[in-house]
Amino acid sequence: QKEVEQDPGPLSVPEGAIVSLNCTYSNSAFQYFMWYRQYSRKGPELLMYTYSSGNKEDGRFTAQVDKSSKYISLFIRDSQPSDSATYLCAMSASNDYKLSFGAGTTVTVRA
Amino acid sequence: GAVVSQHPSWVICKSGTSVKIECRSLDFQATTMFWYRQFPKQSLMLMATSNEGSKATYEQGVEKDKFLINHASLTLSTLTVTSAHPEDSSFYICSASGGHEETQYFGPGTRLLVL
Repeated sequence: QKEVEQDPGPLSVPEGAIVSLNCTYSNSAFQYFMWYRQYSRKGPELLMYTYSSGNKEDGRFTAQVDKSSKYISLFIRDSQPSDSATYLCAMSASNDYKLSFGAGTTVTVRA
Repeated sequence: GAVVSQHPSWVICKSGTSVKIECRSLDFQATTMFWYRQFPKQSLMLMATSNEGSKATYEQGVEKDKFLINHASLTLSTLTVTSAHPEDSSFYICSASGGHEETQYFGPGTRLLVL
């Protein structure tokens, strides 16, 4: 079993829809949770960073962490074609910054 | 803030030659830098972790004599692919930590093609 499970998709939604992404994990030591966005042939870009259970909102993006269920989510509201990318969840157990990644979910927002 | 650059963005080289890739943190001091490679439609594979002034720690299965990592300063790390072969062709991405958030900030990646 992988430490971090993420459905690779692909996920296709119409413009304006809500995109819902999620990851589950098995290591209860994970304390820091991230979502990265990666466009084709580019490096990952940090979207959201959280270190506690609950919700965090930033513009159209909302990250949820449920440590009791070992489950994290990312929601994208009012999705745009420019949101089409691969979204990677990542998490780490301590402040050594080493990350465990999900497989990445490829999202396409149709105009 | 927390910008990481890589150079070159792409490189083509002949089999048997060596290629150096630079990774720089532009607006923060990177206590730790990481090197990844990524194959098409796959997630990132960590190759090694390096701290400034000390030897890099390589992941299992990564040849340290083939992938030389130097972390000479708090803003610069280099990856040298020695005696490159076509199977080394890949997308190499560096990241750096030490910015405001306790996480990694990634460079734009370097695409290597070995002929």
